Amino acid sequence: QKEVEQDPGPLSVPEGAIVSLNCTYSNSAFQYFMWYRQYSRKGPELLMYTYSSGNKEDGRFTAQVDKSSKYISLFIRDSQPSDSATYLCAMSAIGGNEKLTFGTGTRLTIIP
Amino acid sequence: EAGVTQFPSHSVIEKGQTVTLRCDPISGHDNLYWYRRVMGKEIKFLLHFVKESKQDESGMPNNRFLAERTGGTYSTLKVQPAELEDSGVYFCASSNNGQGEGYTFGSGTRLTVV
Repeated sequence: QKEVEQDPGPLSVPEGAIVSLNCTYSNSAFQYFMWYRQYSRKGPELLMYTYSSGNKEDGRFTAQVDKSSKYISLFIRDSQPSDSATYLCAMSAIGGNEKLTFGTGTRLTIIP
Repeated sequence: EAGVTQFPSHSVIEKGQTVTLRCDPISGHDNLYWYRRVMGKEIKFLLHFVKESKQDESGMPNNRFLAERTGGTYSTLKVQPAELEDSGVYFCASSNNGQGEGYTFGSGTRLTVV
């Protein structure tokens, strides 16, 4: 079983819709949670970073963490064609071990 | 501020040959990481340098892979001899605080072994 599970999609939604992306994890040691966006032929770009259960909002993006269920989500409001990309969840453990464990990524397409 | 630079962007080599990938981190970043994405799989950690020292190399797949970081600046990742299963995209990232929040990734080197 993978430590981090993420539906690879692809996911297509119309412009302006709310997008929900999710990951589940099995390792209780994970304490830091991140969402990255990756455009084609580019490296991952950090979107959101959180280390506590609950919601964190940044503009049109909201990251949600539920440690009791080992479940994290990223919501994108008022989605735009420029949001079309692959979205990767990533996690790391507390205690100085900074390596990231990634999900497989979800390919998202926003249809104008 | 210049980002993380990787080259070459793309390399095609024959099985058994040697390839060296290079990463130039953001100036002043002590932490440098190598990750790899094999086709259809998730991005996986290979190793972590703090300055010139290997902090964690638990993700290195085998002894055909050798990573170095000269003087704590740029890093190289050598694959010798390359095998078909080494094909994938190799990403380098650097950070100041090493907590993941400050990671900046390069655009990657796409390695194809034929």
